[in-house]
Amino acid sequence: GESVGLHLPTLSVQEGDNSIINCAYSNSASDYFIWYKQESGKGPQFIIDIRSNMDKRQGQRVTVLLNKTVKHLSLQIAATQPGDSAVYFCAAVKEYGNKLVFGAGTILRVKS
Amino acid sequence: EPEVTQTPSHQVTQMGQEVILRCVPISNHLYFYWYRQILGQKVEFLVSFYNNEISEKSEIFDDQFSVERPDGSNFTLKIRSTKLEDSAMYFCASINPLKANVLTFGAGSRLTVL
Repeated sequence: GESVGLHLPTLSVQEGDNSIINCAYSNSASDYFIWYKQESGKGPQFIIDIRSNMDKRQGQRVTVLLNKTVKHLSLQIAATQPGDSAVYFCAAVKEYGNKLVFGAGTILRVKS
Repeated sequence: EPEVTQTPSHQVTQMGQEVILRCVPISNHLYFYWYRQILGQKVEFLVSFYNNEISEKSEIFDDQFSVERPDGSNFTLKIRSTKLEDSAMYFCASINPLKANVLTFGAGSRLTVL
């Protein structure tokens, strides 16, 4: 089955610095890898995704890197802001309509 | 922007009682899901629902759980006889048919079983 896990449970960064959140996965058959952000008291919110045939995708201040050789996914947040403080989950999905499998989550704390 | 709406936001119940959690998915979405999150833990898949039937369910989704889409808009999760370990946040989600892998989650319903 699919298994997705995170290396670091908590990450503290200074405002303005870049953040890197890492994730490992076990199932190479996943078609998409997705990052979700969960703020306190809210549901997970989509940030960015990457298809399995890509190795990098950029969004606004965020970049996702996929290394299929070592089954590793990372989320880079540039110029981290206090509003980025949240729990970040990586997730994997096989194909449209299938369930998402979530990792354990990393808490990102941004210090002002 | 369209939202997935969940009610109640918080429900407290006694062990053994039945609970129904309600969700109104986004209207043009086709796949619907329930996930749960025990405090401080990861989000866990419970069940997916498509074309008025369950398409997949997890080991957590045992005989105590059921889902229904009674009227074409509401999507409900029923727990027949709640246990202490059912205490969690329950999230409803749906998929945008134009964004194949993006789940839109509701804000969640917190269930506390005493």
